[in-house]
Amino acid sequence: EIVLTQSPATLSLSPGERATLSCRASQSVSNYLAWYQQKPGQAPRLLIYDASSRATGIPARFSGSRSGTDFTLTISSLEPEDFAVYYCHQRSNGITFGQGTRLEIK
Amino acid sequence: EVQLVESGGGLVQPGRSLRLSCTASGFIFGDYGLTWFRQPPGKGLEWVGFIRSKVYGGTTNYAASVKGRFTISRDDSINIAYLQMDSLKTEDTAVYYCTRVRITLFGVVSWFDPWGQGTLVTVSS
Repeated sequence: EIVLTQSPATLSLSPGERATLSCRASQSVSNYLAWYQQKPGQAPRLLIYDASSRATGIPARFSGSRSGTDFTLTISSLEPEDFAVYYCHQRSNGITFGQGTRLEIK
Repeated sequence: EVQLVESGGGLVQPGRSLRLSCTASGFIFGDYGLTWFRQPPGKGLEWVGFIRSKVYGGTTNYAASVKGRFTISRDDSINIAYLQMDSLKTEDTAVYYCTRVRITLFGVVSWFDPWGQGTLVTVSS
C-alpha cells in the first residue's frame, strides 16, 4: 500500500500569508495525486488533480507542484474561507489518503 | 448540476445490518462507477469500495477492512447505488460518502468528484 505522509499536521497562519503544505509518497505515484479541502461538517472538495491542475471553479491562489515523490499545495494569499483541513490522495496504486493538514487561523 | 445524496444512516447495534443509498442526478448515471468512502469522527478518509459501470460488468472491489461484510450494488433505472453493511462493528462508525468516478477493468481512471454530503452511521449498543 502506498503511504502518503503530510506535513505539518497543523499550520497556523494569518489571512494574507502564504501557505505551503507538503505530501510525501512512500513510492512513485507519477502525477496521480490530488488535493482535497474539507471544512467542518462538509464533504471533501477536489482542489487539485494530476498534481498541478486546478479543478473547476478553484481560485488561482491554489496551486500544486511535484518533485519526485514530494508534492506541494501552495495557497498564495490566504483568504478567511481557506482555513480548513487539506488531504492529499493518490490513485496510482490502490486508493489512499494522507492523514491531513489542519490549516488554522493564527 | 451533478449531485449525489446519501441516506440511510443512523444508530445500529453491533452485529446488525444497515443499507445506505446514494441517489444521483445531473449526469448519465450508467456511464460512471460509484465509490464509497468513510470518515470516522475526527479522523481521516478511508476508501470502502466501488462498483464499476455495467459496461465493465458492474463488478466490485472492497477494502480489506470491509470485504465479506459490505456489498455495493446499483440500480441504473433509478440512479441509485447502495452500500449494504452486515455484521457491523463499532469501528465502522463513520460518516459515509459516495462519489462518482470512472473505473475500467484495470482500475480507477478519473478523480473522485463531486462527493455527496455524507450520512452518519453509529454502531453502538
